[in-house]
Amino acid sequence: KNEVEQSPQNLTAQEGEFITINCSYSVGISALHWLQQHPGGGIVSLFMLSSGKKKHGRLIATINIQEKHSSLHITASHPRDSAVYICAVHGNQFYFGTGTSLTVIP
Amino acid sequence: SAVISQKPSRDICQRGTSLTIQCQVDSQVTMMFWYRQQPGQSLTLIATANQGSEATYESGFVIDKFPISRPNLTFSTLTVSNMSPEDSSIYLCSAGSNYGYTFGSGTRLTVV
Repeated sequence: KNEVEQSPQNLTAQEGEFITINCSYSVGISALHWLQQHPGGGIVSLFMLSSGKKKHGRLIATINIQEKHSSLHITASHPRDSAVYICAVHGNQFYFGTGTSLTVIP
Repeated sequence: SAVISQKPSRDICQRGTSLTIQCQVDSQVTMMFWYRQQPGQSLTLIATANQGSEATYESGFVIDKFPISRPNLTFSTLTVSNMSPEDSSIYLCSAGSNYGYTFGSGTRLTVV
């Protein structure tokens, strides 16, 4: 059993659509990260959350500690948002989800 | 949060050679980690880089293959030794403390 489960695994959206990626975890954590991995492999840290909600531009991340669940939302999606989005949680070590591959079609 | 500079961002190497990847953090951090992402798989922890002592390796990873240095609280290196095509992966470092962690941008390694 994976400590971190993401859904969906793959997602295709039309430009402008509102997108939600979900992450559930089974371990106690001190923080949750959302990472963006570009097709070339480069990784960008989008958010680090320990509670509540954070917003950066068109990206919003929420976390519910009691339910052990986090969501990453992208508003007004754009083709440049096409990437793999990875959820990572930090408990006694880091655990990573398998990623959600997002393709935004113009 | 700390900012990490990871180098190189990518490399193509001949089998049998070694590559050293560096991570430089802009502030002192308690913990540094090294990860590997093989094609089509999720990130996997290789080892915890300990300052002033030997790294702590996860099951399946050994020091002879992945020697790690951490001479101070802001810098660490991971070497991939005697490379084979199976070592083609993305290697990623992360660093931080109880106040938060950040990630390097990754090193895409291709072994030919």
